[in-house]
Amino acid sequence: AQTVTQSQPEMSVQEAETVTLSCTYDTSESNYYLFWYKQPPSRQMILVIRQEAYKQQNATENRFSVNFQKAAKSFSLKISDSQLGDTAMYFCAFMPYTGANSKLTFGKGITLSVRP
Amino acid sequence: NAGVTQTPKFQVLKTGQSMTLQCAQDMNHNSMYWYRQDPGMGLRLIYYSASEGTTDKGEVPNGYNVSRLNKREFSLRLESAAPSQTSVYFCASATQGAGNYEQYFGPGTRLTVT
Repeated sequence: AQTVTQSQPEMSVQEAETVTLSCTYDTSESNYYLFWYKQPPSRQMILVIRQEAYKQQNATENRFSVNFQKAAKSFSLKISDSQLGDTAMYFCAFMPYTGANSKLTFGKGITLSVRP
Repeated sequence: NAGVTQTPKFQVLKTGQSMTLQCAQDMNHNSMYWYRQDPGMGLRLIYYSASEGTTDKGEVPNGYNVSRLNKREFSLRLESAAPSQTSVYFCASATQGAGNYEQYFGPGTRLTVT
């Protein structure tokens, strides 16, 4: 069974600064995806970024980038130039790619507060 | 294009009552999922449906049943609600193409069982 660990329950960052959210996972699979989802106070789950394990290049989406260390099974999210709208819960998720039966396993989440 | 819709948004039940949470997607996705979210626990998978006509248990299926009515709709039923089922419930549907996999989530249902 896969596990996803987010060991920091809460973090705070000053507006315009950079923050890194940590995530580790455990798996014996070789073909998988990793995700970061954002859940703002509205409760809507929003995909922030996706990384395919076979790709060595770290994924980037505007101010969001990941540091994917496959051997260490680590998948951290870096948010640059933090904005007030980044205040949310962030969930790391893992999915072995098994076609139609693919399922996500989520970490427990981290609450990020961006201070003005 | 509404994406994934869920009804109701809020519900209060008494212990022992039953109810069905409805979910529909208009993205022609084959796979659909039901999760529950509890404080400090992240999202946990209750049931999923890889395609129309099939359903499988997830991590926490006890006390729930599901129906994949057609490709668009996937409902979750609580036959006899218990206070332990107080939670926020999310439905999701997913693309399956390699390289662009994404689960799309509905807005959630906050359920309180007293």
